[in-house]
Amino acid sequence: DVKVTQSSRYLVKRTGEKVFLECVQDMDHENMFWYRQDPGLGLRLIYFSYDVKMKEKGDIPEGYSVSREKKERFSLILESASTNQTSMYLCASSLVRTSGPREQYFGPGTRLTVT
Amino acid sequence: AQSVTQPDIHITVSEGASLELRCNYSYGATPYLFWYVQSPGQGLQLLLKYFSGDTLVQGIKGFEAEFKRSQSSFNLRKPSVHWSDAAEYFCAVGSPLGGGNKLTFGTGTQLKVEL
Repeated sequence: DVKVTQSSRYLVKRTGEKVFLECVQDMDHENMFWYRQDPGLGLRLIYFSYDVKMKEKGDIPEGYSVSREKKERFSLILESASTNQTSMYLCASSLVRTSGPREQYFGPGTRLTVT
Repeated sequence: AQSVTQPDIHITVSEGASLELRCNYSYGATPYLFWYVQSPGQGLQLLLKYFSGDTLVQGIKGFEAEFKRSQSSFNLRKPSVHWSDAAEYFCAVGSPLGGGNKLTFGTGTQLKVEL
């Protein structure tokens, strides 16, 4: 079974702090994704990475950055946390496919509260 | 650009009753289609997927979905709902043409099961 783990289930940070959210997958997937989930808005893609040191912006990258130094690990960084970044953050991974459906496998999520 | 609409934000059904959750997509050709479920406080779990062939797809936990090209729909069904099915359900669409293997998610339908 694919396993995607996230470093924390719950996190409370203060406004202005630098925050690191870590994600690790154990199935040698090339693609990794960071989403935020808010009530009524579903999942919105923040960033994704298709290879080590490669990244692309998603739909809502403002205020976030990412790092992928190793294939299995993808980090989301909030450079200066703000209260509007209070949310559930979900990490996912998938294989690169040239054909066929590209299902994503999700971690349990990190609920971040910024006070 | 692809998009997904889940018109029902909340649905309540009685245990043992049948269930249908609606999903409509916008895409120029036949996309890859997915249904995910999220139990409270958890990440997303894949229920089923469609990319070609038989338009009626069977998934886990007794769920099925039917792809209807003429209606641009991929509705999720279950003949008899169990109390443990209470969760949030997300429909997602992916492009067969590449697009970085990204998925676009709907805003979700919250299912409540009355005992």
